[in-house]
Amino acid sequence: SQTIHQWPATLVQPVGSPLSLECTVEGTSNPNLYWYRQAAGRGLQLLFYSVGIGQISSEVPQNLSASRPQDRQFILSSKKLLLSDSGFYLCAWGDRRDTEAFFGQGTRLTVV
Amino acid sequence: GENVEQHPSTLSVQEGDSAVIKCTYSDSASNYFPWYKQELGKRPQLIIDIRSNVGEKKDQRIAVTLNKTAKHFSLHITETQPEDSAVYFCAASGGAGSYQLTFGKGTKLSVIP
Repeated sequence: SQTIHQWPATLVQPVGSPLSLECTVEGTSNPNLYWYRQAAGRGLQLLFYSVGIGQISSEVPQNLSASRPQDRQFILSSKKLLLSDSGFYLCAWGDRRDTEAFFGQGTRLTVV
Repeated sequence: GENVEQHPSTLSVQEGDSAVIKCTYSDSASNYFPWYKQELGKRPQLIIDIRSNVGEKKDQRIAVTLNKTAKHFSLHITETQPEDSAVYFCAASGGAGSYQLTFGKGTKLSVIP
C-alpha cells in the first residue's frame, strides 16, 4: 500500500533562517506531488505541484521554492523565512489515474 | 483557473440532525469533486468523492450530490454525531487536463450533544 512521510512534525525557526521540509512517498511510482499551506483557521492553499522529476509548477509568488530530485521525493525550501511563512504545511500525492490527494501528517512551522 | 466557493463557513447542528455544506465551482471542465474532513491539528482525509458522470453518491450517513448544469455540489451528513465535528473541505479538479485540486475555504462543523 502507498504511504506518505513528511517531516519534521513541528518546527520553530527564527526570521531570516533557511527552511527545508521533506516529503517522500512509498508504494507508487511517478505520482503527482503537492505542497499546500494552511494558515491558522484558514483553507488549503496550493503552493507547488509536480508531475515529474524536475518539473515544478508554482501557484503563488512567495519566497518559497520546491524541488523534486527523485521520483518520490518532494522538498519545500526557503533561503530566508518571514513571519508570514508560519503555518501548517502539508505534502500530498495523487495517482495519475485519479485525482484525489492523499496528505502527509503535516509540519507545523512557527517563525519567530 | 478553477475557483471553488464553499458555504457556510461555520455550521452548528444538534446531534442527530442533518448537516448540509454547499460548494460551487467555476470551471465547467472540472470532473472530479472530493470532500475532505480535517480534525483539529490533523491532516485532511478523503471521506467521499464524486465524478461528473454521476449525480449522487452515498456512503452510510454521508452523501454527495452534483449538479453539473448549475456547477454546484453538496455534502449531506445525516444523523450527525459529536465525532462528525471537524472542518470539511470541498474541492474540484480535472478541468482542462489539470491534475491539481482547488479547495474551498472550509466549513467548521460543530455537532452539539
